Amino acid sequence: DGGITQSPKYLFRKEGQNVTLSCEQNLNHDAMYWYRQDPGQGLRLIYYSQIVNDFQKGDIAEGYSVSREKKESFPLTVTSAQKNPTAFYLCASRLRGDNEQFFGPGTRLTVL
Amino acid sequence: AQSVTQLGSHVSVSEGALVLLRCNYSSSVPPYLFWYVQYPNQGLQLLLKYTSAATLVKGINGFEAEFKKSETSFHLTKPSAHMSDAAEYFCAVTNTNAGKSTFGDGTTLTVKP
Repeated sequence: DGGITQSPKYLFRKEGQNVTLSCEQNLNHDAMYWYRQDPGQGLRLIYYSQIVNDFQKGDIAEGYSVSREKKESFPLTVTSAQKNPTAFYLCASRLRGDNEQFFGPGTRLTVL
Repeated sequence: AQSVTQLGSHVSVSEGALVLLRCNYSSSVPPYLFWYVQYPNQGLQLLLKYTSAATLVKGINGFEAEFKKSETSFHLTKPSAHMSDAAEYFCAVTNTNAGKSTFGDGTTLTVKP
């Protein structure tokens, strides 16, 4: 089955530690996105990438970093510089020429 | 620039009653509009989308939405609510240049028996 996988589902980290969230897709989609979701708020764009080896900052990129070395993978690193990292993180992908984004199941990050 | 406003963060209806979730948008270019549903601790699932074809769009699970350019609205409706419709719903507008989407803050739908 084609789709987007995010791992792990739940992640706990101590304050001050960097953590990397995984996002993999086998849909052969060109673009990939990372969103952050907080209670009562919509999705806010962190980073996005339209092609391999290229990515752009979204609306709330501070304290995050990404890489896009392969078309199917777009990992997100939450650094210690992110002041409030506890949130639900969603990855999405899109086929070039289409406007619909497909979402993964999400990772809930809790920083203790 | 683009934005989305969802009127009402919480909507409660009785089972079998009409569901109406409101969404207004602004966009500098002809918009692509979407409604997504999210169940707790899950990703977003597409309900329906408007891509400049028919203004009345039918989606999954009996939902539909009507694009009204004059009102800059894209309200989501369902004639008869079911308990399984209880979830959070997001309206989104997409900029075609980068495929970047802007999401509303979401509306939590509660269905009472």
